[in-house]
Amino acid sequence: DAGVIQSPRHEVTEMGQEVTLRCKPISGHNSLFWYRQTMMRGLELLIYFNNNVPIDDSGMPEDRFSAKMPNASFSTLKIQPSEPRDSAVYFCASNEQGQPQHFGDGTRLSIL
Amino acid sequence: AQSVTQLGSHVSVSEGALVLLRCNYSSSVPPYLFWYVQYPNQGLQLLLKYTSAATLVKGINGFEAEFKKSETSFHLTKPSAHMSDAAEYFCAVTSGGGYQKVTFGTGTKLQVIP
Repeated sequence: DAGVIQSPRHEVTEMGQEVTLRCKPISGHNSLFWYRQTMMRGLELLIYFNNNVPIDDSGMPEDRFSAKMPNASFSTLKIQPSEPRDSAVYFCASNEQGQPQHFGDGTRLSIL
Repeated sequence: AQSVTQLGSHVSVSEGALVLLRCNYSSSVPPYLFWYVQYPNQGLQLLLKYTSAATLVKGINGFEAEFKKSETSFHLTKPSAHMSDAAEYFCAVTSGGGYQKVTFGTGTKLQVIP
């Protein structure tokens, strides 16, 4: 089975640019999660969706961050405008009801 | 509220020695507890989980963890370390059942010395 697929794996861009991270959850999973991992703050939940509907976005740091899930097989996390402090590894995870989350391999984002 | 504390951000063991990674949790309701492993440039992979059944939980790669309510602990152990165990390990908790709002610890990097 294909796992959670994230793209791109690496992104380097200049501050002020728009960044879009993409995630394809495991087929059949009805929940999707976006996390951010940094040395200083560890792994933080940004937002999660259930059946394509955002359930909890309390972890989204500010209005520059937005996430969408237009269908059950695709989600995006967008940062506009990006800032150097957004540099981190962003993970997507998915699960089905009553089961642990499965993680993608992450997107390493560097904002110069 | 829920939280986990991992004692020791870095642990070094010799190959063949006992691995012990410590985790203490805080939860206002009976928790679910997890250990995840992260290899370089990869996502987190579930090692094992505790969901209120047996207190001694066995996971993949020879790891196990014991839930001790009196000590609010869920330490991870492996009798004999292998070079391939070198990775970062995360303890995690979710309260009241379910797998949605998971809180992760800060991680422990395990180094295995040949």
